[in-house]
Amino acid sequence: KNEVEQSPQNLTAQEGEFITINCSYSVGISALHWLQQHPGGGIVSLFMLSSGKKKHGRLIATINIQEKHSSLHITASHPRDSAVYICAVRFNELIFGTGTRLQVFP
Amino acid sequence: ETGVTQSPTHLIKTRGQQVTLRCSSQSGHNTVSWYQQALGQGPQFIFQYYREEENGRGNFPPRFSGLQFPNYSSELNVNALELDDSALYLCASSVAAGQGRGGYTFGSGTRLTVV
Repeated sequence: KNEVEQSPQNLTAQEGEFITINCSYSVGISALHWLQQHPGGGIVSLFMLSSGKKKHGRLIATINIQEKHSSLHITASHPRDSAVYICAVRFNELIFGTGTRLQVFP
Repeated sequence: ETGVTQSPTHLIKTRGQQVTLRCSSQSGHNTVSWYQQALGQGPQFIFQYYREEENGRGNFPPRFSGLQFPNYSSELNVNALELDDSALYLCASSVAAGQGRGGYTFGSGTRLTVV
């Protein structure tokens, strides 16, 4: 049983579309992270959330602690947003979801 | 401010050999965690070092071991390599991990292939 589940696993979009990636978790956490991983493997931390909502540019992340659920939204998607987006929850260590592979076509 | 640097970036080893992977931590961070990411999977926690001591370990056998140095850089050692050890190994540094504070800075990873 995965403690962190993401949906969808794969997502394709046309440039300009609004995108939502969902993350559900089953453990009590101190924080939730949204990460971006490009084909070379390096991971970039996008957000760390413990409550509410955060926004950075075209990216918005929300979390509902009671429902153990978080969403990552991308507005006006662009081909350079193509990457794997990973949700990770912080229990004692980070527990990762399997990621959502996003491809945005021009 | 420096980020996290991992070396080498790519490595090919033969089954049964030993390997050492290295990771520098970001300036100001005192905790380093290591993760193994198999192809198509999310990263799995190997262990974490805080102030030169291991303070958390995932479900990995003892042939996976590590060190953290006084400058907070870290090594991951894997003995008796197996084919299934082929993966991307990621390290991340943070401040006071396990206490719920601070974000993580990830390295670009070392891709290990065992043949």
